Amino acid sequence: DAGVIQSPRHEVTEMGQEVTLRCKPISGHNSLFWYRQTMMRGLELLIYFNNNVPIDDSGMPEDRFSAKMPNASFSTLKIQPSEPRDSAVYFCASSFRQGLTGELFFGEGSRLTVL
Amino acid sequence: DAKTTQPTSMDCAEGRAANLPCNHSTISGNEYVYWYRQIHSQGPQYIIHGLKNNETNEMASLIITEDRKSSTLILPHATLRDTAVYYCIVRANAGGTSYGKLTFGQGTILTVHP
Repeated sequence: DAGVIQSPRHEVTEMGQEVTLRCKPISGHNSLFWYRQTMMRGLELLIYFNNNVPIDDSGMPEDRFSAKMPNASFSTLKIQPSEPRDSAVYFCASSFRQGLTGELFFGEGSRLTVL
Repeated sequence: DAKTTQPTSMDCAEGRAANLPCNHSTISGNEYVYWYRQIHSQGPQYIIHGLKNNETNEMASLIITEDRKSSTLILPHATLRDTAVYYCIVRANAGGTSYGKLTFGQGTILTVHP
């Protein structure tokens, strides 16, 4: 299995531009998580999907952030408009029967730099 | 979920056992102890988890005290590739409408040196 696949690995953009990060979870996994990591705040959970339905989006910073999961094999995290403080590494993770085992499989992350 | 306390950093010599402590004095009866690690520039990686019995897998051993207020992750023969940030996380496995979200703290920076 290829694991959780994220794209792009690196993104540099200018303030005000729209950014879309993509994630392909491991086939057969029914839970998907978006995390953000910065030096100041560490790893923060942004949103959690179960069976393609958003369950908890309380970690989404503000209305500029949105996430979708149109099907079991694809999710996007969009930032519009982007700001310099959004610069971070964004991780996607997936899990099977998350509630029973707790093992999350993380992707390699998307490093976002907003100038 | 219960809060955890870990040392900020630790050193270990290559080939020796690395023992990483974690305090979770407010843990409740239905909460598990999880360990993840994050090697530089990579996503976090699951290591092991347990409820009250000691656990062992191919990566590590987890020792949980009888009162469950603390635990130790043991890497029996540390290698240079084990240099990483190690996170101890306490959470309840899901029941009902809860999904048992994982909340990462600051972790312990383990440096394995030759």
